[in-house]
Amino acid sequence: TQLLEQSPQFLSIQEGENLTVYCNSSSVFSSLQWYRQEPGEGPVLLVTVVTGGEVKKLKRLTFQFGDARKDSSLHITAAQPGDTGLYLCAGKGGSYIPTFGRGSSLIVHP
Amino acid sequence: DTGVSQNPRHKITKRGQNVTFRCDPISEHNRLYWYRQTLGQGPEFLTYFQNEAQLEKSRLLSDRFSAERPKGSFSTLEIQRTEQGDSAMYLCASSPLAYEQYFGPGTRLTVT
Repeated sequence: TQLLEQSPQFLSIQEGENLTVYCNSSSVFSSLQWYRQEPGEGPVLLVTVVTGGEVKKLKRLTFQFGDARKDSSLHITAAQPGDTGLYLCAGKGGSYIPTFGRGSSLIVHP
Repeated sequence: DTGVSQNPRHKITKRGQNVTFRCDPISEHNRLYWYRQTLGQGPEFLTYFQNEAQLEKSRLLSDRFSAERPKGSFSTLEIQRTEQGDSAMYLCASSPLAYEQYFGPGTRLTVT
């Protein structure tokens, strides 16, 4: 069974601060996705990383896939209240069924 | 709106009743997934369709759960004889490829 561990589980910060959340596994994934989910809504796809060492940027969000394709990080620069939500990572291995982590819940206070 | 839609958005039912949820995927996506999510957890896989074929079903899914995707378009998820432990958010996602998934807004089920 492929497991994805996300950390920290909860994060509460002030507007303008930087933060990094992590997604780790002992398994190798062929691709990894990051999603953001707001309360009462479905997850929204942010990015897919495929190549080991790959870095992708989405405005103030920077995503990195580990060289060994076992881990990933999401860095947010100058967080804003609109960044509040549950950040989920999902990895795809050898099957069509992705494995989701439990998520990192972020609250950004104005 | 060409995103994934789910109906109803909220369902309150009494224990022992049957409920059915509907998911309309993005039209050109041939892959469809159902997940269950409880508070503080990530989505838990329930079942997967490629076109009309149900290719995988979680071993955690009891016989009270059944899903269909007739003609490879919309899908339904039925829960028979609901239990309080079935209370959760039920999410549907569709995918054009094997990894990127596009989720609907979910159906929140409360079993009283």
